[in-house]
Amino acid sequence: SYVLTQPPSVSVAPGKTARITCGGNNIGSKSVHWYQQKPGQAPVLVIYYDSDRPSGIPERFSGSNSGNTATLTISRVEAGDEADYYCQVWDSSSDLWVFGGGTKLTVL
Amino acid sequence: EVQLVESGGGLVQPGGSLKLSCAASGFTFSGSAMHWVRQASGKGLEWVGRIRSKANSYATAYAASVKGRFTISRDDSKNTAYLQMNSLKTEDTAVYYCTRPYCSSTSCYVGYWGQGTLVTVSS
Repeated sequence: SYVLTQPPSVSVAPGKTARITCGGNNIGSKSVHWYQQKPGQAPVLVIYYDSDRPSGIPERFSGSNSGNTATLTISRVEAGDEADYYCQVWDSSSDLWVFGGGTKLTVL
Repeated sequence: EVQLVESGGGLVQPGGSLKLSCAASGFTFSGSAMHWVRQASGKGLEWVGRIRSKANSYATAYAASVKGRFTISRDDSKNTAYLQMNSLKTEDTAVYYCTRPYCSSTSCYVGYWGQGTLVTVSS
């Protein structure tokens, strides 16, 4: 089965740039979606189809996907960005959805 | 406004059964696939399974961890999706989310999440 690998944690100072990676075999050939989840809340979509941003999501959030790594980039990080972030793909070979293990973003 | 409201969670003994419901509103339910996603306390998101629309033959698919034990169904006349969980194990303890996907020919993502319902499997 297809596996997505994320770092368990990423730390960044306010105002700096955070990069959260999502690794998978030839993930560049798939569309990657990213969710933000704050404690006690349901996840929220922040990036879809690798780099599209839903309405209401700040331009500070961006995404890219190439080769074996997809990346969620958060520019000018704010305290309110502290959350867990998950990547997700649809594995066409198995017709199943796959989530990454999640990355806890800590704003120092 | 899209709303997904789960119900039916609770405490069940290992080996027992439970049926979750997801009442949907604010969109054309009959034309949409529905997915279930779960999250154990302090853990990550895990896709459970999905059911497609009548136009797609109500096709179902399940994660390996629940295949053969869980069944997803729907009643389009009631705008409701269901998750029947049998032979429950302690590791099935989680918050279960009902979700509505947005799909293209190349991928799907979760457009809307319910608030989740907690299932606890314990003796």
